[in-house]
Amino acid sequence: DAKTTQPNSMESNEEEPVHLPCNHSTISGTDYIHWYRQLPSQGPEYVIHGLTSNVNNRMASLAIAEDRKSSTLILHRATLRDAAVYYCILWNGGSQGNLIFGKGTKLSVKP
Amino acid sequence: EADIYQTPRYLVIGTGKKITLECSQTMGHDKMYWYQQDPGMELHLIHYSYGVNSTEKGDLSSESTVSRIRTEHFPLTLESARPSHTSQYLCASSELSPGTSSDTQYFGPGTRLTVL
Repeated sequence: DAKTTQPNSMESNEEEPVHLPCNHSTISGTDYIHWYRQLPSQGPEYVIHGLTSNVNNRMASLAIAEDRKSSTLILHRATLRDAAVYYCILWNGGSQGNLIFGKGTKLSVKP
Repeated sequence: EADIYQTPRYLVIGTGKKITLECSQTMGHDKMYWYQQDPGMELHLIHYSYGVNSTEKGDLSSESTVSRIRTEHFPLTLESARPSHTSQYLCASSELSPGTSSDTQYFGPGTRLTVL
């Protein structure tokens, strides 16, 4: 399985944008890039996913490098509720595969 | 809004007891999962199911067992609990849609198990 590399932790100030990086240099052509986050004492929740083009939804934006070897999750204005562990996961879209959660990036948001 | 439920939320039991952790979803999802997560650590997939009468072992070996008799229900059982089983257990579900771009998983709130 292709692996991802994320920083262990990041800090942000409230109401400022946050850019969470993810490296996936061994990504295959059929791998989708998924992001989940896990708030304290809760199960993970889906954030966003993409293949080649940048993606936007109500929670975040996903910027994917042209060579697809890295991506960045963008939170446009961090709030205290965004403090969580963010997971970058590759998934090939097949019914036989499963998401593999790594260590993720622990995001702290300061007021 | 995800409709996936887990009971109990917290469980403290003695060594040697048999326990069943319940997980139910009302979304009609075919695929269901059990993950194990120690505090501050990664999630590890221990069991999953593609549908009724389907159960598979995940990436992390576990002494627990699962069953899938009904689409909406995916209970996890420990025949004889030990302190090493102390952990958080998270249940999730997703639609089984081969060839699609998303395997959006919906997670329950988890069961925090403590074995004394």
